[in-house]
Amino acid sequence: GAVVSQHPSWVICKSGTSVKIECRSLDFQATTMFWYRQFPKQSLMLMATSNEGSKATYEQGVEKDKFLINHASLTLSTLTVTSAHPEDSSFYICSARDHREGRYNEQFFGPGTRLTVL
Amino acid sequence: GIQVEQSPPDLILQEGANSTLRCNFSDSVNNLQWFHQNPWGQLINLFYIPSGTKQNGRLSATTVATERYSLLYISSSQTTDSGVYFCAVALITNAGKSTFGDGTTLTVKP
Repeated sequence: GAVVSQHPSWVICKSGTSVKIECRSLDFQATTMFWYRQFPKQSLMLMATSNEGSKATYEQGVEKDKFLINHASLTLSTLTVTSAHPEDSSFYICSARDHREGRYNEQFFGPGTRLTVL
Repeated sequence: GIQVEQSPPDLILQEGANSTLRCNFSDSVNNLQWFHQNPWGQLINLFYIPSGTKQNGRLSATTVATERYSLLYISSSQTTDSGVYFCAVALITNAGKSTFGDGTTLTVKP
């Protein structure tokens, strides 16, 4: 159990367009999901915490108007990169904690989405 | 916030060798996980280990919470062990947000 999926796996878009990335918890409910960004040969940097039914909380330096997060259900969070530019090209990864009894709040990650903005 | 330091940053081994990866953290945590990021970017859960010792096959991990460090042991390494190993810590009262170390890049040569 505890599987997180992401879609799409990769996307190439033109500068100025918007891109939506979906993150789903497949076999458990996730009231909280997390969005990370990873640049080549670097660690994961937390961008925002997605809260079901309420506004996301963003880390310092992350533009909330550029990275729109919607957590409309207990199994789905979406990240929309608005008006994407080449500097937004990165590997975006979502995660969710499994709060079920006996699961210890262990964090599980989706497979990531590689965004390339031309 | 919590600082996480991993060492060594890079490690090159011959197949069959053993290795120890270290994770130091600057504050008390109640959640610590080790991950392996494969060449395609997927993070694979290795251990959830806020304290104590666990073993899973050729891998084992030990966390000494009072001294704020964790160790990941890989025995009889295989080429498929190559990749980046991350330690991530969290204080669950802090909305469950994790802080990642910079990772150890392991290369196992045949």
